[in-house]
Amino acid sequence: DTAVSQTPKYLVTQMGNDKSIKCEQNLGHDTMYWYKQDSKKFLKIMFSYNNKELIINETVPNRFSPKSPDKAHLNLHINSLELGDSAVYFCASSRRDRNNSPLHFGNGTRLTVT
Amino acid sequence: AQSVAQPEDQVNVAEGNPLTVKCTYSVSGNPYLFWYVQYPNRGLQFLLKYITGDNLVKGSYGFEAEFNKSQTSFHLKKPSALVSDSALYFCAVRDSGDYKLSFGAGTTVTVRA
Repeated sequence: DTAVSQTPKYLVTQMGNDKSIKCEQNLGHDTMYWYKQDSKKFLKIMFSYNNKELIINETVPNRFSPKSPDKAHLNLHINSLELGDSAVYFCASSRRDRNNSPLHFGNGTRLTVT
Repeated sequence: AQSVAQPEDQVNVAEGNPLTVKCTYSVSGNPYLFWYVQYPNRGLQFLLKYITGDNLVKGSYGFEAEFNKSQTSFHLKKPSALVSDSALYFCAVRDSGDYKLSFGAGTTVTVRA
């Protein structure tokens, strides 16, 4: 069973379009994240939700809007896509506890904007 | 503020030789440190994490990491590398009291047969 699953795996779209990426985790975690990995493999946190509350909101264009309908889901909607949005987007989840539980990552969504 | 540095873009070793991937960090509180591995077209997989008080931490696939507080380092090690260890390795840090996990730039490890 896939612990953190993202759909779609690949997304090819044109500039100006609006698209969404979905993420679901079945680990019972209470915190979920979106990370962006650029062409140089650099990973940057975008957003994080804990129990449906936004707790991390990095400097990201407001064209990006996360939505967490419940603890197990965190979706990412992107408006007016630009060439620079091309990247791999990773969803992750974890428990927020004193044991400093690690993040569990999905396999990523490769977004290509043409 | 927290940051993490991986000074080497690439590490090349022969199979059977020891492997070390370097990581240094900067935090204002206590560090929470992790190592992850990424294989091509896959997500990041957790290898190990620093546990307070343990200067040598053992993790998955025979990897271990050495914590050095005075040098603010958390280097990843494997006594005998395998070709299958070839991948991209990330060090990550979170400051105590912070939610954000910050990643280093990654080190590509190539193990030649």
